[in-house]
Amino acid sequence: AQSVTQLDSQVPVFEEAPVELRCNYSSSVSVYLFWYVQYPNQGLQLLLKYLSGSTLVKGINGFEAEFNKSQTSFHLRKPSVHISDTAEYFCAVQTGANNLFFGTGTRLTVIP
Amino acid sequence: IAGITQAPTSQILAAGRRMTLRCTQDMRHNAMYWYRQDLGLGLRLIHYSNTAGTTGKGEVPDGYSVSRANTDDFPLTLASAVPSQTSVYFCASSDSGRSDTQYFGPGTRLTVL
Repeated sequence: AQSVTQLDSQVPVFEEAPVELRCNYSSSVSVYLFWYVQYPNQGLQLLLKYLSGSTLVKGINGFEAEFNKSQTSFHLRKPSVHISDTAEYFCAVQTGANNLFFGTGTRLTVIP
Repeated sequence: IAGITQAPTSQILAAGRRMTLRCTQDMRHNAMYWYRQDLGLGLRLIHYSNTAGTTGKGEVPDGYSVSRANTDDFPLTLASAVPSQTSVYFCASSDSGRSDTQYFGPGTRLTVL
């Protein structure tokens, strides 16, 4: 069985400060990893994904994530956040074509 | 290009009533999905369809049914709504395959009283 743990339900951070949103997963098979973002009253949209190759993945809006197989982690980072980054962020793992499992989400609030 | 549209945007429904949530995509994606989003639980897969004419059960299928008569439409039906089905429902689609990005609709907020 696979599961996704997002350790922080809420992360407040000041504007222009760095941020890291943590994600750990468990799976007995190889996985694909995703980060999605949900802005208020909208659906989810893809930030970035790891399929294979380089463990450092760059996404939209200046976000990046690093796949760490030994620690089964896929933490999301941004060196300097903006007010517009305020949103809910979801980590997800996929083991099969129809098996995309989401974490419970982390609400990022950027404080002016 | 609209992507994925969902209707209605929101609905309040009496328990025991039948309700169909509509989902249409214009990207000609093979696979479509229905999720429910509940506070503290993230998104959970209800049903999916890999291609027109086929459907499958996700993590939480009980009380829901789907059909996939064509590529574009993937309606979700609650035959007899119950209060525990109060949630935000998202439809998504992907081209196909395990690594494909899923594209999400704007959601339907359903309240069952």
